[in-house]
Amino acid sequence: GQNIDQPTEMTATEGAIVQINCTYQTSGFNGLFWYQQHAGEAPTFLSYNVLDGLEEKGRFSSFLSRSKGYSYLLLKELQMKDSASYLCAVMTGTYKYIFGTGTRLKVLA
Amino acid sequence: GAVVSQHPSRVICKSGTSVKIECRSLDFQATTMFWYRQFPKQSLMLMATSNEGSKATYEQGVEKDKFLINHASLTLSTLTVTSAHPEDSSFYICSASGAGGVSYNEQFFGPGTRLTVL
Repeated sequence: GQNIDQPTEMTATEGAIVQINCTYQTSGFNGLFWYQQHAGEAPTFLSYNVLDGLEEKGRFSSFLSRSKGYSYLLLKELQMKDSASYLCAVMTGTYKYIFGTGTRLKVLA
Repeated sequence: GAVVSQHPSRVICKSGTSVKIECRSLDFQATTMFWYRQFPKQSLMLMATSNEGSKATYEQGVEKDKFLINHASLTLSTLTVTSAHPEDSSFYICSASGAGGVSYNEQFFGPGTRLTVL
């Protein structure tokens, strides 16, 4: 079956660094996406990984290990506005997205 | 580029009525459109995939007679929730691919429609 796991909730302090993990088992793999979603809004694209390694984009970085079925999203210099849900999504062999359970991040002052 | 719109953004209806939600790709031709449903504090669940001019493919457990999908053109797909009931209250999000992006077949998401059935 298809399975994507993320921690349900995380809490971190403003200015800190937080790592959100995602493990997956899917039928085929055409890349992994990370999205940010605020309550009541659509997901916003953050990053995409299809090859192993680290992709860095400003305060956000994403890592992928295909052999381990594992990815993480790293958020640096946390700001209050980073409080949101973070969704890991795998594009499968048929180009559908399977979304993970989502991680609700709370940033405290 | 790659903008997807949805209409309406919010709808409240009475139990037993039907509701239509539109999804449009504004600046590209969408080869495929997807419909998702999201319950509170849960992730997005794919309901169906539709290609222009052909019947939608529904995910397991999604009733195709209840959730009617029409993809009449390369820029418009509609989802009709027939005989809506309170348990159908949810956040419905569409996405579209065909605009390229970081990956072949990247999906671009609409802003979502909040459906409340009384």
